[in-house]
Amino acid sequence: EVQLVESGGGLVQPGGSLRLSCAASGITLSRYWMTWARQAPGKGLEWVANIKQDGSEKNYVDSVKGRFTISRDNAKNSLYLQMNTLRAEDTAVYYCARGAGSGDLVYWGQGTLVTVSS
Amino acid sequence: DIQMTQSPSTLSASVGDRVTITCRASQSISDWLAWYQQKPGKAPKLLIYKASTLESGVPSRFSGSGSGTEFTLTIGSLQPDDFATYHCQQYDTYPYTFGQGTKLEIK
Repeated sequence: EVQLVESGGGLVQPGGSLRLSCAASGITLSRYWMTWARQAPGKGLEWVANIKQDGSEKNYVDSVKGRFTISRDNAKNSLYLQMNTLRAEDTAVYYCARGAGSGDLVYWGQGTLVTVSS
Repeated sequence: DIQMTQSPSTLSASVGDRVTITCRASQSISDWLAWYQQKPGKAPKLLIYKASTLESGVPSRFSGSGSGTEFTLTIGSLQPDDFATYHCQQYDTYPYTFGQGTKLEIK
């Protein structure tokens, strides 16, 4: 059974940092594009970033460019999102997801809540 | 960025009804469109990819169509389990973008 488990969320002050992790089981992460998406409370989904199988290509939504960094450790079967200079508008549930290709998201984790507030 | 607009935002229907949700892209995305179903407090679930291809295990009452800028998701005969929020997503051009969601409610 495929499982993606996010961790690392929590309450952080504006300007602070968090590192999210996504641990995979039941799949070999190195075979797939991986994505982070988020959903602010009561709002729709927002695609945040993705990363190619070998880490050679990374793409971001403009609102997080220069502040967030997506990375992966295929040896650990894990995906990461380093979030710096956090803002109130980054408050959301963050999901990691495995793509079929780079875009359509076949498997999702359960999400981890990030709250940016003073 | 490509804007995805879903209509309606909310849809009230009854078990057994046939319903259609529309998703429009602000520019052509060929058929690089996915549909997801999401229930409260849960992660989204992929229903359809490449505009019209049903994901494995998804009931055949779900179907998708369209290309270019206009797409539809149709549920042939609503079942109680189908009341949820539906999202479209384009994956033609970065940044990939989602629609705002359509909440399907019981009438």
